[in-house]
This record gives sequence, structure tokens and C-alpha cells, in this order.
Amino acid sequence: ETGVTQTPRHLVMGMTNKKSLKCEQHLGHNAMYWYKQSAKKPLELMFVYSLEERVENNSVPSRFSPECPNSSHLFLHLHTLQPEDSALYLCASSPGLADTYEQYFGPGTRLTVT
Amino acid sequence: GNSVTQMEGPVTLSEEAFLTINCTYTATGYPSLFWYVQYPGEGLQLLLKATKADDKGSNKGFEATYRKETTSFHLEKGSVQVSDSAVYFCALRGNYGGSQGNLIFGKGTKLSVKP
Repeated sequence: ETGVTQTPRHLVMGMTNKKSLKCEQHLGHNAMYWYKQSAKKPLELMFVYSLEERVENNSVPSRFSPECPNSSHLFLHLHTLQPEDSALYLCASSPGLADTYEQYFGPGTRLTVT
Repeated sequence: GNSVTQMEGPVTLSEEAFLTINCTYTATGYPSLFWYVQYPGEGLQLLLKATKADDKGSNKGFEATYRKETTSFHLEKGSVQVSDSAVYFCALRGNYGGSQGNLIFGKGTKLSVKP
């Protein structure tokens, strides 16, 4: 039990659909993250939030839209995705942004875009 | 730029064999170093970490020492088990430029342990 939950665990969507991924952390952390894990590529950081404010956006296409309504919840809204967006999307949290803090990961959402 | 390089997999070992997974890094300043493990169908879990030079992180029989002189953080275990089969990721984290607090991951090394 990592204290970070993600729903749904699996999602299949067409390119014209709109869906949202949800992440919730029960650890009292102040920072939350979205990562993309594709086959044969390193984990890619997508977004970073600290105290509900976005502090990092690594040139992610606008078809991915994050939302952080409070420090415990993080969403990733998806619309008009492409097949190459199929991947495992991982959420993580940490107590803060200091370099000594480890990040705690959720189990991920396996997304397939058809 | 800042980066992490780890040995290509997959690595296949027999049970009770000695494991080494090499990891080297390039970074500005003094980053913290981590090993994460990902079991099939799961997210990443922190295995161990070291936050300054010469620190040794250890957990579940795994060890890694932060070597600044060789910019390395190799993962070792004296006797692997079938249950250690997973993908292992080396990562660094430091405050540099505008990327405060970001984890930089290696590509991962898949370990398969046979009975």
C-alpha cells in the first residue's frame, strides 16, 4: 500500500473521446506529479504541482490538461488523444520539492488510445 | 545536461546469484540518488536512496553507495531471489535551473531471476 491511488487502472478510449485520470494521495504531501511511461523510453515528467500551483510543465501537448484542486487530488484531463499517447500514466507525490525527498508512486493507469 | 545512464537489460540470473546493476550520472552540484523498483503490473516503489557522497543506501538486501569520484550509484545484492524479478530504475534529483525537485530516471534494467 503506497498511499497513492489512481483510477481507473485501465482505460481504452477513442481519439475523439474526453476522459480524466484521477490521483489521490493520503500521505499529507504538498507536491504531486504526473509521469508518462512508454515502452522502451525513460519515464517522462509531465507536470509538477506544489501546494496546488503548477511549477513545471515539460512541453506537454495541450491535449493533456492537469488540474490540482487541493493538495490531495490531481487530475489529468484527456481529449483528442493520438495512438502514440498510449502508455502507463503514473502519479506521484512527495512531502515537498526538496531534492532529498523521495517520491511515492501510484500503481498507474494503463491508457490505450484506439 | 543532467542525466542517468544504467546498464542495458535484460539481466537474467539464477537464484542466489550475485547482482550488480550499474548506474552512472551526470549532474550539476550534489544531487540525491535513488533506486526504484517496478514489479509487473505495478507502479514504482522506492528501494533505497542516498543524499550525499559516500552514503550507502540499503533495503531488502540491496545496497548502493554514492560515489562522487566516479559519479556512480551501482545497485548490488549478494543473493537474488525469484521474487526480485522486476524492472529497476536509477534516478537522481536535485535543485538545478528551473527544474526544482525533478526526478531524472534512467531507462530501467529488467531483471529476471530463474529458480
